[in-house]
This record gives sequence, structure tokens and C-alpha cells, in this order.
Amino acid sequence: GQNIDQPTEMTATEGAIVQINCTYQTSGFNGLFWYQQHAGEAPTFLSYNVLDGLEEKGRFSSFLSRSKGYSYLLLKELQMKDSASYLCAVRGRNQAGTALIFGKGTTLSVSS
Amino acid sequence: GAVVSQHPSWVICKSGTSVKIECRSLDFQATTMFWYRQFPKQSLMLMATSNEGSKATYEQGVEKDKFLINHASLTLSTLTVTSAHPEDSSFYICSARGLAGDYSYNEQFFGPGTRLTVL
Repeated sequence: GQNIDQPTEMTATEGAIVQINCTYQTSGFNGLFWYQQHAGEAPTFLSYNVLDGLEEKGRFSSFLSRSKGYSYLLLKELQMKDSASYLCAVRGRNQAGTALIFGKGTTLSVSS
Repeated sequence: GAVVSQHPSWVICKSGTSVKIECRSLDFQATTMFWYRQFPKQSLMLMATSNEGSKATYEQGVEKDKFLINHASLTLSTLTVTSAHPEDSSFYICSARGLAGDYSYNEQFFGPGTRLTVL
């Protein structure tokens, strides 16, 4: 089976740092993705990890440990516009081949 | 680059009618397109995967006779919800992936979504 777990909700204040964790158990592994989704909009790509370690991209960093089935997304210097849902997704193996399978998402609320 | 469009962005229809949603990759060739469905406050659920020129592969629990998918070209896939009912009301999102070796291969690019409301 396939299972991707992440916290449902998180809150933080402007300027702070927040870490969103994701654990996964999937059939096959071909990379882990993080997406940001604002209400009523399509997800937008944030990061991609296929090897263990940390990938940094501006205010956002993503970490992967394949042996532990674990990833996190780190957001620094939080801004109000970062309030959104953050989706952890794994490219595993589905009926057809390899598609992104999503977790339920973490709703992040940033307050001033 | 790597833009995916969907049409329509929203649609309201009567129960029992059929609705067609188009998904286009505007500036790259999408060998594979995916259709997802998202209910309020839920995550994206993969419905089916389609490769250009071949039949779509549906995920377990998705009725292939109800959700007809056609991937006629490298830039266009359509999802038809046949005999729609209120429980089919949802946010439908398509996603496209490019050719192997293309810069976009590791990414799935998402369309803006189509909000379907069945009365």
C-alpha cells in the first residue's frame, strides 16, 4: 500500500522558521516533491529530492532520508503570503507506472 | 515555460448531463498526463494516468466508464464526466509530464483546475 503522513495544521508568526514533516511508505520510490497550494488553485512546485540530504532554494529547504522514509520542508523568514497548504508527494508506483501520490497536506497559517 | 491550461475553469451542470474538461500543455510536449480530483480540505487523489495514443490506466475505485479520458495528442487530454451526479462535484486538476531528458521530466506541472458543481 501507499501511505503519506504529514500534520494537518500548523501555525507560526511572521519572520519565524517552520518545519513541516512528512513520512511515507510507498510502492517504489522515484523522488519526493513538495508543493504549495493556495485555496482554489492548483499546486505549485517547490522542491524535489531524490537523494538523501538537504536541498536549499532561497527561503525554502527540503530534506530527505530514504532509509527512514522521511522528509521535511523548512520555511525561513515566514511571510503572510506563505499561508497555504503544503503538500508532500512521492513519485512511487501506481497502476500505470510512476505518478505523484500526495499526502493530505499541511495547512500553514502565518500571523503577524 | 511549462504551462498547463485547463478549460473550463468552472462549470455548473444538471444531474445526468455529461461534462468535458480539456487539459493542454502549452509550451511542451506532454507524453503523460494525469487527472486528479480534490474534495474540499482533502488532498489530490490520482484518478488516472494517460499516455498519448493509448488507453488511460485508472486507479483502483475509479470508474472508467464514468470518467472517460482521451489523450489524442502530445498537448491535449480530455476528461469527460458522464451522467454527472452531485457526488461528482469536485475540483478536477490535470497534470502533465514531459519527455524523458527534457528539463521538465522530473516535474509534474499542474493546470489551474476545473471546479465542477452538479446540481
